[in-house]
Amino acid sequence: EDQVTQSPEALRLQEGESSSLNCSYTVSGLRGLFWYRQDPGKGPEFLFTLYSAGEEKEKERLKATLTKKESFLHITAPKPEDSATYLCAVQAYQAGTALIFGKGTTLSVSS
Amino acid sequence: NAGVTQTPKFRVLKTGQSMTLLCAQDMNHEYMYWYRQDPGMGLRLIHYSVGEGTTAKGEVPDGYNVSRLKKQNFLLGLESAAPSQTSVYFCASSTSGRGTDTQYFGPGTRLTVL
Repeated sequence: EDQVTQSPEALRLQEGESSSLNCSYTVSGLRGLFWYRQDPGKGPEFLFTLYSAGEEKEKERLKATLTKKESFLHITAPKPEDSATYLCAVQAYQAGTALIFGKGTTLSVSS
Repeated sequence: NAGVTQTPKFRVLKTGQSMTLLCAQDMNHEYMYWYRQDPGMGLRLIHYSVGEGTTAKGEVPDGYNVSRLKKQNFLLGLESAAPSQTSVYFCASSTSGRGTDTQYFGPGTRLTVL
C-alpha cells in the first residue's frame, strides 16, 4: 500500500534556527514527490516537485532533497512568515495522477 | 488569471439536505480533482476528471457525485448530507497528466453538516 509519513507533527523554532522536516514514503514506482505549504484557512500552495533520488531544489530559505525512501525540507534561518503547515505528497505510476498526502508538519517560528 | 476558484467559501447544511460545490479554473487544465481535508488526516481524493465529460472515483467517493460538463468547471454534489461529510473541500487542477503533473489548489470550502 502506498503511504506517506511526515515527522515531526509540529515543530517550534526560534527565528534564525535552522531545521529539517521529514517525509518518508512507500510507493510502488515513484512518479514524483511534491511539497506544498498551507496557511490556516487557505488552500495548499505548491513549492517543489522532485522526481529522482539525489535531486535537490531551492526556493528562498527552503531546500528540498530526495532519496529512495524519504525527502527532507530544510529550512535555513527561518522567519516568522515561514510559519505554516508543510504537506508532502507522492504520485505513483500505477495510481495515475492521484496524489497521496501525508498529514503534514505544522511549523511555528517565533521572533 | 484567477487560477482555481471555489464557490461557496462556507456552508452549513442540515442532515439530509443537498448542495453543489462549484470549482472553476482558468488555466486550461485538462485534469480536475476534489479532495477533502479532515483534522489529523491528510488530504484524500474524492473524485477526479481527466477531461470534459469524464469522471472517476478516488479514495473516498461514497456519498458524493461529480460532473464535468465544461472543461473549466468541476461540480461536487452531496445528495443527502451527513455529519460525516463535515470537512474542508479543496478543488485542484493540473495539466494533461504528462510532464510535471503539478496540482494547483483552490482556497477551499468549509462545510458543516448539523
